[in-house]
Amino acid sequence: GESVGLHLPTLSVQEGDNSIINCAYSNSASDYFIWYKQESGKGPQFIIDIRSNMDKRQGQRVTVLLNKTVKHLSLQIAATQPGDSAVYFCAENKAAQKLVFGQGTRLTINP
Amino acid sequence: KAGVTQTPRYLIKTRGQQVTLSCSPISGHRSVSWYQQTPGQGLQFLFEYFSETQRNKGNFPGRFSGRQFSNSRSEMNVSTLELGDSALYLCASSGDSKGGEAFFGQGTRLTVV
Repeated sequence: GESVGLHLPTLSVQEGDNSIINCAYSNSASDYFIWYKQESGKGPQFIIDIRSNMDKRQGQRVTVLLNKTVKHLSLQIAATQPGDSAVYFCAENKAAQKLVFGQGTRLTINP
Repeated sequence: KAGVTQTPRYLIKTRGQQVTLSCSPISGHRSVSWYQQTPGQGLQFLFEYFSETQRNKGNFPGRFSGRQFSNSRSEMNVSTLELGDSALYLCASSGDSKGGEAFFGQGTRLTVV
């Protein structure tokens, strides 16, 4: 089936700590995964992506890990800042730009 | 480079009416996809167009339709509006024909009363 889900709906972290947002997917045939950040009143913003032939990919302060054995995806944000407060979605990109999104995790930063 | 532009930003319609939403993709992008976002259902795929052809369609009733023009601009139409159609409608464009980074617009907030 087509299902991408998140383990936790909300996550609160202290400013400066690292954040880890998790996601489970069910379609083992998927070959491309993306993390999006959505701030209030805005559309989803691309953060980082990873293809199924990779286990890890790093960006600026963000790392995505893919575990195909257990169909698990995670987003790690280093040194979380107030500007990181948003809802984070994982998405599975099927052929021809059909994204299947998870429900989202709201990340809150405590000062 | 201008981003994805959606118009209008906000719209209020009455049940039974129809509505047309517009999306201008990033220059050079030929793939345009549409999503509906609601608090209860999250982000759901509506359909995707590439070079004026619909390549994929989500599980929405036939009241939801779309099209793409030769300049890659896209419109979606919802006929016989229902209260449950109230949502944020998002458009995304991509320059990759097979799947790749998709850039979203800010969306059109549709309220059906």
